Amino acid sequence: AQSVTQLGSHVSVSEGALVLLRCNYSSSVPPYLFWYVQYPNQGLQLLLKYTTGATLVKGINGFEAEFKKSETSFHLTKPSAHMSDAAEYFCAVRDMYSGGGADGLTFGKGTHLIIQP
Amino acid sequence: DGGITQSPKYLFRKEGQNVTLSCEQNLNHDAMYWYRQDPGQGLRLIYYSQIVNDFQKGDIAEGYSVSREKKESFPLTVTSAQKNPTAFYLCASRKRQGTDTQYFGPGTRLTVL
Repeated sequence: AQSVTQLGSHVSVSEGALVLLRCNYSSSVPPYLFWYVQYPNQGLQLLLKYTTGATLVKGINGFEAEFKKSETSFHLTKPSAHMSDAAEYFCAVRDMYSGGGADGLTFGKGTHLIIQP
Repeated sequence: DGGITQSPKYLFRKEGQNVTLSCEQNLNHDAMYWYRQDPGQGLRLIYYSQIVNDFQKGDIAEGYSVSREKKESFPLTVTSAQKNPTAFYLCASRKRQGTDTQYFGPGTRLTVL
């Protein structure tokens, strides 16, 4: 069974500082990995995803994430935080070989990013 | 514009009443999903459907029911058997071939009084 752990339910950074949101997963097979962002009372928007190929993935709004197989991690970073980045962020994993079923999208519990002015 | 619509955005119901949440997509996606979101819990899968007239239970299906009579529509009924129905409900869809991304609707916040 897959699982996703997001370290820190709340992360606070100053505007202009580095953003680092941590995600570790467990999966017995190669995974697909996703980061979603959610603004208050809205749905989830895809930030970026890793399927195959280059392990450093660039997404929208200046975010990027690096897949590190040896560490089973997929941490999300942004060099300089902006006030508009304040939101809830979810990491999710899917079994690469899952052809159907529930599609194996397992979500972490989320990290609330707070930007201090 | 293509996308997923959920209605209504806010819904209030009395305890003991059934309520149906709407989810419609015009993305021509095959698979559709319903998730429940509670504070600090992440997203939990209620039901999913890969094709029309077929659906499967997710992790927390008790007290919920769905139908998939049309490709575009996947309504969720919250029944009186659901012990704690107050939550934020998210619908998602995905094309089964060629992409792994689930796209989400804006959500419906259900409050049972």
